[in-house]
Amino acid sequence: DQQVKQNSPSLSVQEGRISILNCDYTNSMFDYFLWYKKYPAEGPTFLISISSIKDKNEDGRFTVFLNKSAKHLSLHIVPSQPGDSAVYFCAASALGSQGNLIFGKGTKLSVKP
Amino acid sequence: NAGVTQTPKFRVLKTGQSMTLLCAQDMNHEYMYWYRQDPGMGLRLIHYSVGEGTTAKGEVPDGYNVSRLKKQNFLLGLESAAPSQTSVYFCASSYRDPTNTEAFFGQGTRLTVV
Repeated sequence: DQQVKQNSPSLSVQEGRISILNCDYTNSMFDYFLWYKKYPAEGPTFLISISSIKDKNEDGRFTVFLNKSAKHLSLHIVPSQPGDSAVYFCAASALGSQGNLIFGKGTKLSVKP
Repeated sequence: NAGVTQTPKFRVLKTGQSMTLLCAQDMNHEYMYWYRQDPGMGLRLIHYSVGEGTTAKGEVPDGYNVSRLKKQNFLLGLESAAPSQTSVYFCASSYRDPTNTEAFFGQGTRLTVV
C-alpha cells in the first residue's frame, strides 16, 4: 500500500506560468516532507522541504504547502522555466526513522517554451 | 568536491553471478544509503548506515548485503543476482538524518540481470 502518492504521472505547463505538483500521504506519523528533482541519467537533487509544524516554506521560485488535515502537500513553481523540466519526487519520513524516506512514484514536469 | 560517486555506472550480469557496487563520498557524511528505482516506482531504501561499521535494513533488503568499513565508502553486494534485481541503484549520503536535512545522491548504477 502506497504511503506517499503522486497521482499525476506527468504535467505539462507553459513557460512563465505556475506549475503545481501534488502529493498525498496516508501515514499520520510522517512529520517531515521533502521534494527532490531528477534529470535523466542523474541522481535526484534536493529541492525543498517542510516540517509538519509549518504549513508553508518558500525558496525563491519554489514554495511547498502542507495541509496536515488533508494529508496533502503541493509544490508550486512560479514562474516555470524550461530548465525545470524533470521528474519531481515527493518524499516523507517519520521522526527517528533514520533515513527511511518513503518516496512517491514521481511526476514528470514538462515546461514548454 | 566530487560529492557522491558510484562505480560502475552500468553493468550486465548473468543470473547467479555476484557483484559489488561501490559508493564513495568525500563530504565526511555520517549517513549513507542505497536505494533502488524501478520503472514507474519511487525510490525504495535497500540498506543504510548511520556511521562507520554500522548497517541496517531498509524497505527491500532481501538479496543484498552491505558493508561500511570506512566512513567514506558504502558497498552494496549481490551474492547471486536475479532478474528481479534489474534496476537503477542510487547511493546517497547526508550529514545527519536525511529526514531533516538534504541527502546527496550519486548518479546511479544501471544494472541488468539476464
